[in-house]
Amino acid sequence: GENVEQHPSTLSVQEGDSAVIKCTYSDSASNYFPWYKQELGKRPQLIIDIRSNVGEKKDQRIAVTLNKTAKHFSLHITETQPEDSAVYFCAARNTGNQFYFGTGTSLTVIP
Amino acid sequence: GAVVSQHPSWVICKSGTSVKIECRSLDFQATTMFWYRQFPKQSLMLMATSNEGSKATYEQGVEKDKFLINHASLTLSTLTVTSAHPEDSSFYICSASVAGYEQYFGPGTRLTVT
Repeated sequence: GENVEQHPSTLSVQEGDSAVIKCTYSDSASNYFPWYKQELGKRPQLIIDIRSNVGEKKDQRIAVTLNKTAKHFSLHITETQPEDSAVYFCAARNTGNQFYFGTGTSLTVIP
Repeated sequence: GAVVSQHPSWVICKSGTSVKIECRSLDFQATTMFWYRQFPKQSLMLMATSNEGSKATYEQGVEKDKFLINHASLTLSTLTVTSAHPEDSSFYICSASVAGYEQYFGPGTRLTVT
């Protein structure tokens, strides 16, 4: 199956700074890469996604980049706010339509 | 839109008994439903993928006879943990997907086996 690695496991930033989380995947045929935000005790929520035919996608303060050759993708959050504090998961979907998740990054935004 | 419910939200059962968890897509028809297991402060581990009307596809290491999955309709999938043991205690989350891309998660079920 697919193997997704995610770094860092924890990240603390000052409010207003940027946060970057990186993931790598092993299956070159994977074609869809979503990012989820999970607050304590709640379900994961999709915050942004990217398909394999696109290199970059942006939605307000959130952006995702994909390097298919290197098999890695990254989440960028600019102008971080305290409410951005949560656990973030990357995921990769393989051609069998199965999703494999990274190990998660606990982001803390310090006011 | 795109709401997924899960029932029960938490359950406590005795070792050796079976527990059924329901996952419903409330306002859309899901071609595929996924079942995940999440340990405290850890990631979501895919257990199985189910498509309506067909047998579930289990991930390596997941016992299909222990974790029975039924996807009877486009809006309902069930996970039955049979002969539960304390090591089965975990947080189980389902998700539903249309066309295999965006998936919508249920709120999860906290299972405690005593």
